[in-house]
Amino acid sequence: EAGVAQSPRYKIIEKRQSVAFWCNPISGHATLYWYQQILGQGPKLLIQFQNNGVVDDSQLPKDRFSAERLKGVDSTLKIQPAKLEDSAVYLCASSPVGFGTSASYEQYFGPGTRLTVT
Amino acid sequence: AQSVAQPEDQVNVAEGNPLTVKCTYSVSGNPYLFWYVQYPNRGLQFLLKYITGDNLVKGSYGFEAEFNKSQTSFHLKKPSALFSDSALYFCAVRDYGNNRLAFGKGNQVVVIP
Repeated sequence: EAGVAQSPRYKIIEKRQSVAFWCNPISGHATLYWYQQILGQGPKLLIQFQNNGVVDDSQLPKDRFSAERLKGVDSTLKIQPAKLEDSAVYLCASSPVGFGTSASYEQYFGPGTRLTVT
Repeated sequence: AQSVAQPEDQVNVAEGNPLTVKCTYSVSGNPYLFWYVQYPNRGLQFLLKYITGDNLVKGSYGFEAEFNKSQTSFHLKKPSALFSDSALYFCAVRDYGNNRLAFGKGNQVVVIP
């Protein structure tokens, strides 16, 4: 079974520039998550999708971050404009079942995209 | 909101010795508890989970964890550490109500050969 794919693996941009990350979850997984992991901290959920709908984006800085999952499969996370404090690893994860029943299911993580904002 | 505390930044253990990584949690309802491991430049890998039932949970790579409701703890253990166990370990808790997974800050485990 193929794992969660993410690209690019590394990205360096200057502040105020924009950047986009792509994620392809495990085939058949209904739920997709984007996390931000700042150095020395645990991952923090940014947004959770159930198929192509958003079920939790309460921790997403909506003035600069946006995400979509148009066809309920792959997803894109965008930052525009980037700030220095956005330097982090952005992790995508997926789980097999839907919201409301997925609490007991582990999440499968991709390798992440390491973003450096200079 | 649920939360997790991993009190130690780093755990050093000699190869072959028992390994324990501590985790305490706070949730409003019944907890779903998870341990993940992260190797350098890799994503998080699932180790084990507690949902219900037996308080001792066995997982991947010889790891196990003990759920203690009275102490709100879910410590990760391995009877004999290997050098390859050197990695970053994260405890996480999910509240059934809001379905969000909250991670601790992580523990760096260093196994000394």
